[in-house]
Amino acid sequence: SFQVTQPPSVSVSPGQTASIACSGHKLGDKFVSWYQQRPGQSPVLVIYEDKKRPSGIPERFSGSNSGNTATLTISGTQPFDEADYYCQAWDNRVVVFGGGTTLTVL
Amino acid sequence: QVQLQESGPGLVKPSQTLSLTCTVSGDSISNYGYYWSWIRQHPGGGLEWIGYMSHSGNTYYNPSLQSRVTLSLDTSMKQVFLKLKSVTAADTAVYYCAKVWVGPTSSRYFDPWGRGILVTVSS
Repeated sequence: SFQVTQPPSVSVSPGQTASIACSGHKLGDKFVSWYQQRPGQSPVLVIYEDKKRPSGIPERFSGSNSGNTATLTISGTQPFDEADYYCQAWDNRVVVFGGGTTLTVL
Repeated sequence: QVQLQESGPGLVKPSQTLSLTCTVSGDSISNYGYYWSWIRQHPGGGLEWIGYMSHSGNTYYNPSLQSRVTLSLDTSMKQVFLKLKSVTAADTAVYYCAKVWVGPTSSRYFDPWGRGILVTVSS
């Protein structure tokens, strides 16, 4: 069955750029979405269809997807960007989530 | 704006059926182009898709849960229902409902999500 893999954790300094990868076989052939989940809160969509931002999501959030890897990039990372981030794809009628990446802003 | 609210028992005994309701406000659940979904998150764990369905009754389930899951909906009440039978402690999780946007080809994404409801399976 199709699976996507994320690193468990990523650290970044305030103001720097954070990149979170999501890997899967020929993932570039599918659409990827990204969700932010702060502690104790529900997930929030931050990127859909690889690179589109929903209304209200800062331009600092961007996405790309090619080959076997999709990437969520957060430019000028702020302390309140500290959260868990999940990638998600759809393959053959099945939804798949990555295991999540904890972003720490040090 | 659309809002989703999960409700149901917070405690279920092993071997029984977990039954949850998602009530949608600010939107119709009968529109084309959307599905309605359930997703769960084990304590300290990641997200696990349970299934989704359209207003016309098409349902799609996670293969790992398919034998125990049933989704249904009441369009007049704007409610989406989840039933998960023969539960065990491994089904203890926060259960979320979410609106599914159906895009071109392989695009499916979830927005917004409800607040979630913690369901504990214990005797």
